[in-house]
Amino acid sequence: NAGVTQTPKFQVLKTGQSMTLQCAQDMNHNSMYWYRQDPGMGLRLIYYSASEGTTDKGEVPNGYNVSRLNKREFSLRLESAAPSQTSVYFCASSEAAHRNIQYFGAGTRLSVL
Amino acid sequence: GDSVTQMEGPVTLSEEAFLTINCTYTATGYPSLFWYVQYPGEGLQLLLKATKADDKGSNKGFEATYRKETTSFHLEKGSVQVSDSAVYFCATTDTGRRALTFGSGTRLQVQP
Repeated sequence: NAGVTQTPKFQVLKTGQSMTLQCAQDMNHNSMYWYRQDPGMGLRLIYYSASEGTTDKGEVPNGYNVSRLNKREFSLRLESAAPSQTSVYFCASSEAAHRNIQYFGAGTRLSVL
Repeated sequence: GDSVTQMEGPVTLSEEAFLTINCTYTATGYPSLFWYVQYPGEGLQLLLKATKADDKGSNKGFEATYRKETTSFHLEKGSVQVSDSAVYFCATTDTGRRALTFGSGTRLQVQP
């Protein structure tokens, strides 16, 4: 079972470059999420998608955009990367929002120089 | 807003020692409470959960009881193993019911 798959696993960018983080799930889940993990701060929600065709901002959306391409895929785009976006990014999915178990990918470690 | 507070780490224990990781939360309504575990190089995975007051979640020898009167959800295990070394996150469903609010995580190191 693949579960939640994130690509790439590692990425180094220069300030101002753009990139897209990819996420796909094969569990037929309705809801998908993007978090970032920083030392001492736990995970913070960037964007989420409660269902196909909808996206909403989370706690720290500035500097990011998302696309819910279809039910399986939810991508995160950095248009102009900044050093403050150096972090580990996790994608997750769940059957529905609220009280449901979330399943996480292995993460993307991003460094912005 | 909702928040979760965990004890600072790292917690270093010898194998077979008793483990407690404290977690307290603030939230309106009746949130669900979770413990997630992150092993080195991996994503988070659910360890246990509780959905209402006085519920006890348990899995792999770990337990936590939803205490509404003290707004706590402390994680316990009677005898830890080296393989339990990981980062443990306490989490709650947020007021807007959108996603999870996580604590900052507690790193556990178990020495043989």
